[in-house]
Amino acid sequence: GENVEQHPSTLSVQEGDSAVIKCTYSDSASNYFPWYKQELGKRPQLIIDIRSNVGEKKDQRIAVTLNKTAKHFSLHITETQPEDSAVYFCAAALSGTYKYIFGTGTRLKVLA
Amino acid sequence: DTAVSQTPKYLVTQMGNDKSIKCEQNLGHDTMYWYKQDSKKFLKIMFSYNNKELIINETVPNRFSPKSPDKAHLNLHINSLELGDSAVYFCASSPRDNTFRTDTQYFGPGTRLTVL
Repeated sequence: GENVEQHPSTLSVQEGDSAVIKCTYSDSASNYFPWYKQELGKRPQLIIDIRSNVGEKKDQRIAVTLNKTAKHFSLHITETQPEDSAVYFCAAALSGTYKYIFGTGTRLKVLA
Repeated sequence: DTAVSQTPKYLVTQMGNDKSIKCEQNLGHDTMYWYKQDSKKFLKIMFSYNNKELIINETVPNRFSPKSPDKAHLNLHINSLELGDSAVYFCASSPRDNTFRTDTQYFGPGTRLTVL
């Protein structure tokens, strides 16, 4: 079945450093790749997404890159801040199928 | 407030009981979902409903029965609760797939279910 692998499962960085989280998906038909941030006890919230017709998207300190050939996509956070500490989930979906496969999550800790 | 809301926020119950979780969205979305997040934080889709019709049923035991009385509501009824049902259940919604905002999911606050 469809699968999304996410690495690393935990990541600790010093404040101001960059963080990179990587995901690999199995279904080559997937064309929508969102990233969610979940703070402790809160709901997952969309932080950035990318569609298969672009290779990169940036929003301030957050960027996502997509390599369709390799079926990889990555989240890049620059100049990390303590408030970036959370669990981050990637997901892959095919538009219109209403089915999202989530990665297993990455717990990011930004050390002050 | 425009949002996805769920009730109750916490639910503690005994094994074997039947319970329901309610979800409502006032975003005008056509599609609603139920997810289960276990103790290891894995997020797994359970059901998808589009315009009140069941689209996805991800090998969920038939003790779980979703009901969508209208596009804005998707409730989850669970019969004969088991210890393994303890988890956080999230409702979500997304707009129609012919708009720029296609596929973006908005999650509710979650319901933490504890089965004793």
